[in-house]
Amino acid sequence: QQPVQSPQAVILREGEDAVINCSSSKALYSVHWYRQKHGEAPVFLMILLKGGEQKGHEKISASFNEKKQQSSLYLTASQLSYSGTYFCGTDLTGGGNKLTFGTGTQLKVEL
Amino acid sequence: NAGVTQTPKFQVLKTGQSMTLQCAQDMNHEYMSWYRQDPGMGLRLIHYSVGAGITDQGEVPNGYNVSRSTTEDFPLRLLSAAPSQTSVYFCASSLRAGGSYNEQFFGPGTRLTVL
Repeated sequence: QQPVQSPQAVILREGEDAVINCSSSKALYSVHWYRQKHGEAPVFLMILLKGGEQKGHEKISASFNEKKQQSSLYLTASQLSYSGTYFCGTDLTGGGNKLTFGTGTQLKVEL
Repeated sequence: NAGVTQTPKFQVLKTGQSMTLQCAQDMNHEYMSWYRQDPGMGLRLIHYSVGAGITDQGEVPNGYNVSRSTTEDFPLRLLSAAPSQTSVYFCASSLRAGGSYNEQFFGPGTRLTVL
């Protein structure tokens, strides 16, 4: 079951903040966030586990609501380099690798 | 370290042709996987492997075969290419086959067009 991401696209001015949401209808063991720039491979940002543990990018924060099976990625004081498509991947089995990805959120940061 | 490498970068096939997409990693990672990426669909898991000699199906395995004879290599074979297999294919690997903190490293991708 593919997670639902919102919004589908967002345009920011440099320095503005954004929140990207990821919602699943199934119970999750963890949520993984990746960013992909145009024509490039996805790059790891963060992992959020049940119980509040997380690992990832120092300048990006995220949350995981286990009761609602939702995760949010917080991009603060956005920079031009934040532009790209953000994907959440959900782990439904606890294996840590077999992820089901959402369809992505396109973020564009302008001057 | 080269990380995860994929060849070729681009490929055009005719319907019915077969080919193998190559993937290799030099990080001694246990887990390797293949995804396809289509516009508006995100990344979908085709096949994965938790170690040499062990493979399993992902979400969209039909029309593809894999094998893993070594830790380093994980080729993806298209048996009889169809236009529906036109996509960008990514190989990914992670250090551990299990556990929680599994950051996946993606290769640069292969853009495949089937005419």
